[in-house]
Amino acid sequence: DIQMTQSPSSLSASVGDRVTLTCRASQSISSHLNWYQQKPGKAPKLLIYSTSSLQSGVPSRFSGSGSATEFTLTIGSLQPEDFATYYCQQSYNTLITFGQGTRLEIK
Amino acid sequence: QVQLVESGGGVVQPGTSLRLSCAASGFTFTSYALHWVRQAPGKGLEWVAVMWYDGRNTNYADSVKGRFTISRDNSKSTVYLQMNSLRAEDTAVYYCARDLYAIGGTVSYTLDYWGPGTLVTVSS
Repeated sequence: DIQMTQSPSSLSASVGDRVTLTCRASQSISSHLNWYQQKPGKAPKLLIYSTSSLQSGVPSRFSGSGSATEFTLTIGSLQPEDFATYYCQQSYNTLITFGQGTRLEIK
Repeated sequence: QVQLVESGGGVVQPGTSLRLSCAASGFTFTSYALHWVRQAPGKGLEWVAVMWYDGRNTNYADSVKGRFTISRDNSKSTVYLQMNSLRAEDTAVYYCARDLYAIGGTVSYTLDYWGPGTLVTVSS
């Protein structure tokens, strides 16, 4: 299985901050990397697919980049509704795997 | 609008069976692959299974292979997860999710719409 590792595990930030979350794959996954946002008690929501494509309806302050084994999700200016847990997921092979998540908290 | 609604969760004893359902609406059901993903209490996400739009191709996580079976009834726009030989470690919220790509392309294993989930607790 391809292992996905996210860093940091948690992050405290303030409204208006620019934050970057990192996801590393245990082998090259080309650009087959997706990002999801999950709020407590809710289902995950797709934010970014194929490394950098913004899902319909997702604000443009979210952006993704990277390739092969290292990927980032950047939130340009944090809004109150962005405080949540973020998961990366590889769709390179049919046994898809998620990272362990990064919890983004209000400072 | 796209809607997925899971049902069938509950409290069961180890070794028993349970069948989850996911009713879909708001899109052409027969054009999309559908997945099950689970999340143990306080833990991360674990992909469980997928059934392609053609109803023939399936794939499973190693942790459930041989115990869980995914199926779909296109006449009811519903996908199912039959779970046998349940274990305590199967305790989780189970989500149904739609694949990003419609028929004509390969299954993307990217999940664009999710249901609210149904809780399965395996405990004696």
